[in-house]
Amino acid sequence: DAGITQSPRYKITETGRQVTLMCHQTWSHSYMFWYRQDLGHGLRLIYYSAAADITDKGEVPDGYVVSRSKTENFPLTLESATRSQTSVYFCASSDSAWKGGQGFNQPQHFGDGTRLSIL
Amino acid sequence: AQTVTQSQPEMSVQEAETVTLSCTYDTSESDYYLFWYKQPPSRQMILVIRQEAYKQQNATENRFSVNFQKAAKSFSLKISDSQLGDAAMYFCAYRSGPFYNQGGKLIFGQGTELSVKP
Repeated sequence: DAGITQSPRYKITETGRQVTLMCHQTWSHSYMFWYRQDLGHGLRLIYYSAAADITDKGEVPDGYVVSRSKTENFPLTLESATRSQTSVYFCASSDSAWKGGQGFNQPQHFGDGTRLSIL
Repeated sequence: AQTVTQSQPEMSVQEAETVTLSCTYDTSESDYYLFWYKQPPSRQMILVIRQEAYKQQNATENRFSVNFQKAAKSFSLKISDSQLGDAAMYFCAYRSGPFYNQGGKLIFGQGTELSVKP
């Protein structure tokens, strides 16, 4: 089925470890995003990508690395995990601005999230 | 920078009644889009309704409608005939228009937890 999938759904790791969260979408959407959700902050943007090989920082990028070698994949890596990175992580995708004549009101489609705990 | 504020951390409504969730935003942009997302305990993010800033008419989707006050920078969500399944966290979100080259990212409010009493 078409959609956006994240893996793993849950992850426990230790401080200092490297961890990669995976995101895959089957719509061939141009845009992909990573958010983190923390109590009292809503969702905050970590990184986003407008197309393959094009990425840009969001509001809270420190400690994270992304890549986008293929349109459908957008992995997020914590190079050396810290306790402050314990959070729920959401990947999202959306279509390009003008496809289908719908303009820029295209909603973002979200994965089911990854709950990451860093001990 | 744009900001989105939801001043009600929690709201409660009786089943079949109407409830309004508040959202205000701050922007100097003239072209933008506003969204309400629902997040039930399953953690899914579900689009409830969207509004284009250039449209004067308020968006409506079945029992959900918005009161979009552009001058006041207010975007409230009204849920009519509330149902138990409406219980969730609701997020208001802002997206810049394509002219501003912000990559389509969303700026979220802090969320409002809605409970529905039977």
